[in-house]
Amino acid sequence: SQTIHQWPATLVQPVGSPLSLECTVEGTSNPNLYWYRQAAGRGLQLLFYSVGIGQISSEVPQNLSASRPQDRQFILSSKKLLLSDSGFYLCAWSRALGVNSPLHFGNGTRLTVT
Amino acid sequence: GESVGLHLPTLSVQEGDNSIINCAYSNSASDYFIWYKQESGKGPQFIIDIRSNMDKRQGQRVTVLLNKTVKHLSLQIAATQPGDSAVYFCADLNTGFQKLVFGTGTRLLVSP
Repeated sequence: SQTIHQWPATLVQPVGSPLSLECTVEGTSNPNLYWYRQAAGRGLQLLFYSVGIGQISSEVPQNLSASRPQDRQFILSSKKLLLSDSGFYLCAWSRALGVNSPLHFGNGTRLTVT
Repeated sequence: GESVGLHLPTLSVQEGDNSIINCAYSNSASDYFIWYKQESGKGPQFIIDIRSNMDKRQGQRVTVLLNKTVKHLSLQIAATQPGDSAVYFCADLNTGFQKLVFGTGTRLLVSP
């Protein structure tokens, strides 16, 4: 079976510090990978998605970036965090999205920028 | 941009009642729809999906209804239980574009 791992579960970082969140998927190959952000009490905003190694699509201009160094690894980064970067970050994977192939989410990283 | 929205931000029901959570979508090209459940501090969990050539699909205690004419989606939960308390999101997709668009969510509160 497939599993998705995200870490850390919680993170408190000062403004201006760098960020690296990691996500890995096991039990499948060549998955689509996604980073979403969720502000408190709000919906999910798609940040980045990748349909293959080295292929990254950015949905929202911001000071975050994503990389996919390996087939089942997806990394979310920032060089300098802003207060507005606080939120709940969710990694997800899928096979080709469609019937019987939904997104599968990790348990998220709660980031607080102070 | 095109997005999926919800009619009610919070729905309160009594245990044992049936719950109906509604959703409106705007992309007429969407051909796949999903409902997710999110408990506090966790990632969303898949509940049920439906494709655009269907108008109803049933799962265990849940039913999704799709009305393409008015671009409306609903999730029905039978015999709602306290464990159903969570935020529910609908999402839509045009399978030609591998990106799900989520609404803001509806919080379901189930009282005993």
